[in-house]
Amino acid sequence: GAVVSQHPSWVICKSGTSVKIECRSLDFQATTMFWYRQFPKQSLMLMATSNEGSKATYEQGVEKDKFLINHASLTLSTLTVTSAHPEDSSFYICSARDATSDQETQYFGPGTRLLVL
Amino acid sequence: AQSVTQLDSQVPVFEEAPVELRCNYSSSVSVYLFWYVQYPNQGLQLLLKYLSGSTLVKGINGFEAEFNKSQTSFHLRKPSVHISDTAEYFCAVRGAQKLVFGQGTRLTINP
Repeated sequence: GAVVSQHPSWVICKSGTSVKIECRSLDFQATTMFWYRQFPKQSLMLMATSNEGSKATYEQGVEKDKFLINHASLTLSTLTVTSAHPEDSSFYICSARDATSDQETQYFGPGTRLLVL
Repeated sequence: AQSVTQLDSQVPVFEEAPVELRCNYSSSVSVYLFWYVQYPNQGLQLLLKYLSGSTLVKGINGFEAEFNKSQTSFHLRKPSVHISDTAEYFCAVRGAQKLVFGQGTRLTINP
């Protein structure tokens, strides 16, 4: 149980285009999902907390107009990187909390590697 | 505010040797602690967690950790490692609705 998927696993795009990454909880309902960014050989940096049916809460320094987050259902959250630039290239990981059982544990997706050319 | 310090950025050990990965935390609220493992180019997998109860927590793949409140530590141990344990390990403490991660420890197993 507690499986989180992400799609796509890899994406390469041209500078200036937008990229959408999906995060799904496959076997549980997730009222809260989290989006992280990870640079090579570094820890995870929380970008935003996404609550189903409401606006996401962004961490300080994260541009909400650039990183659009939508959490329209209890099993799906999306992160859209708008007008992507090479400096947005990174590993993006989502996580989700199972609201009905263990509210303290986050389960992570496999990550999406974004390369902006 | 919560914070996590992983004292070793890299830990090389020989196969079948024991290993300890160190983690110290600070927290002003109830303490919930986690260890996650990340294999190359993958997301994080939960190894074990401490929410309450017994201070010795057993997880997957033969790992265990001990919560020590007086020393504010949550060190991860395994009595005998395998090549497949080569990965990055992250300690985390739950803050206000979110996890705070340490910088990670790269465990390298040598044959």
